[in-house]
Amino acid sequence: EPEVTQTPSHQVTQMGQEVILRCVPISNHLYFYWYRQILGQKVEFLVSFYNNEISEKSEIFDDQFSVERPDGSNFTLKIRSTKLEDSAMYFCASSERNSPLHFGNGTRLTVT
Amino acid sequence: QKEVEQNSGPLSVPEGAIASLNCTYSDRGSQSFFWYRQYSGKSPELIMSIYSNGDKEDGRFTAQLNKASQYVSLLIRDSQPSDSATYLCAVNSLRGDKLIFGTGTRLQVFP
Repeated sequence: EPEVTQTPSHQVTQMGQEVILRCVPISNHLYFYWYRQILGQKVEFLVSFYNNEISEKSEIFDDQFSVERPDGSNFTLKIRSTKLEDSAMYFCASSERNSPLHFGNGTRLTVT
Repeated sequence: QKEVEQNSGPLSVPEGAIASLNCTYSDRGSQSFFWYRQYSGKSPELIMSIYSNGDKEDGRFTAQLNKASQYVSLLIRDSQPSDSATYLCAVNSLRGDKLIFGTGTRLQVFP
């Protein structure tokens, strides 16, 4: 069964550094998402992406965040200057129109 | 008012019993409803989707939707210890395709 793949599985970075989290969505899916989950808290929406542009973003997704689909397969989340509070699991998801989201295994980001 | 509400639990049931998980949502226009299972440290895994009022069964799982009451539930029959996980209710937003998640209900099935 096709799946969403995310790399790396764990990323440790120092405060103020830039990180790029990578995702390969399911190949025939058109909608892409990033969610995050701080330890012990709920899964929170960050951004959705369709037709090569952001379709919706949350209040969390401020100027330090950006997303890109640099080629036909990858979908990336960049955090420009990481803060301690950015430490979380970041999940990429993809879907077809009006269909359930399929999640990747996540990247655990630790900011020290 | 929270958009999607769930009791955080834990809900403890003995092996073989029926576990009943509940969820309410605030946006009356929501059309799509999902239950995801999340094991500790893992990603959400889709269990059930439901789009119309009534019951939908898939194996040991039954999802129930009542749009008038803005209520979704998940029943797990013949609960197994391997069902022990956090169950996330997710509802599509009115505006678009994103899903809004509840905080999840932690289920513990004891032998």
